[in-house]
Amino acid sequence: DTGVSQNPRHKITKRGQNVTFRCDPISEHNRLYWYRQTLGQGPEFLTYFQNEAQLEKSRLLSDRFSAERPKGSFSTLEIQRTEQGDSAMYLCASSQGGANYGYTFGSGTRLTVV
Amino acid sequence: QQQVKQSPQSLIVQKGGIPIINCAYENTAFDYFPWYQQFPGKGPALLIAIRPDVSEKKEGRFTISFNKSAKQFSLHIMDSQPGDSATYFCAASRGFGNEKLTFGTGTRLTIIP
Repeated sequence: DTGVSQNPRHKITKRGQNVTFRCDPISEHNRLYWYRQTLGQGPEFLTYFQNEAQLEKSRLLSDRFSAERPKGSFSTLEIQRTEQGDSAMYLCASSQGGANYGYTFGSGTRLTVV
Repeated sequence: QQQVKQSPQSLIVQKGGIPIINCAYENTAFDYFPWYQQFPGKGPALLIAIRPDVSEKKEGRFTISFNKSAKQFSLHIMDSQPGDSATYFCAASRGFGNEKLTFGTGTRLTIIP
């Protein structure tokens, strides 16, 4: 296991289309996080899972966004009816939980909505 | 509402110099303060982290200084190298890192030879 894997790396979509991103965390990590990063800004929290349970969702996450983590392994983030403002880097991270363990981030999926 | 303020936005330092990046936080419930390094096209990578019960932590060339009363913390990079050129983010969370991270806006660091 070499790290957190995200697919696809890049996605260009037309406004109004649905997109889905996948994240494969480090296998022994039970926590999985999604963040969004726009140019020149720090990552913003979207949601996180402990195993298959979604424990928190940001108010940034509109009804068009949904995330799942079936069986506590990989996770998907779906955006319905994409808007130009959804263009960003979507980052996934995982951690093994417990105090003082840092996250390991993937390289992200860059979404461009045209 | 930005809970972690980071400065400067960009920084240029000569090789061998000591860049210093500063962060200030508002939420006194935060108890875990990491720094991340990000290269273009990559996700952030954890550099070093500190808890508020210590005032300084050093790992290799990277040092965090923490001032709990002022609610400020900073990153120092000793003997900086061109390979350190990247964007650096401070962050904070509760639950000793178990909960979501709140990031600063980042500092683009350039080390010139």
